[in-house]
Amino acid sequence: ELKVEQNPLFLSMQEGKNYTIYCNYSTTSDRLYWYRQDPGKSLESLFVLLSNGAVKQEGRLMASLDTKARLSTLHITAAVHDLSATYFCAVADSNYQLIWGAGTKLIIKP
Amino acid sequence: DSGVTQTPKHLITATGQRVTLRCSPRSGDLSVYWYQQSLDQGLQFLIQYYNGEERAKGNILERFSAQQFPDLHSELNLSSLELGDSALYFCASSEELNYGYTFGSGTRLTVV
Repeated sequence: ELKVEQNPLFLSMQEGKNYTIYCNYSTTSDRLYWYRQDPGKSLESLFVLLSNGAVKQEGRLMASLDTKARLSTLHITAAVHDLSATYFCAVADSNYQLIWGAGTKLIIKP
Repeated sequence: DSGVTQTPKHLITATGQRVTLRCSPRSGDLSVYWYQQSLDQGLQFLIQYYNGEERAKGNILERFSAQQFPDLHSELNLSSLELGDSALYFCASSEELNYGYTFGSGTRLTVV
């Protein structure tokens, strides 16, 4: 059974700092997704990573996938307040279902 | 607008009642997924339909049921409601997993 673990679950950081959110998963998969959710709002797709070594960047966010290590990272560069949100990773299992991490609540303080 | 339409956006109802939540998937998407998200909680997968047929079931209570109609819209029926059923209910749709899921804006259900 595929399990997805995110850490940290909560992160409070200062503007201008860099940090990384980790997403580990337990069995083989080559499809990983990152989503953002603002409080009380819907989930917005950020990145779709479909192969080993995939790296995608959008603004101050960069996501990467290492299928051998079963690890994805979401790196935040020079954080700004607008990036405060909850970030979820999800991994596709063998039945093409998405298995979700618990989410990382990110608070960026001025 | 994500292309996935959920109605109603808000619903307040009493314990013991029954409600129906509706979802229209993005044009061309055959799969519909229902999720429950309680306050400050993660996403709980309820059920998936693909082209009118149930494809996968998650932690869906027996009091809850769903269906997908020939026009691909889906309804989630919640009955004998309890206070603990208060949550955000999301519908998502997908064409294929190369693109992940597209989420609707959700229905916020409050049971009083």
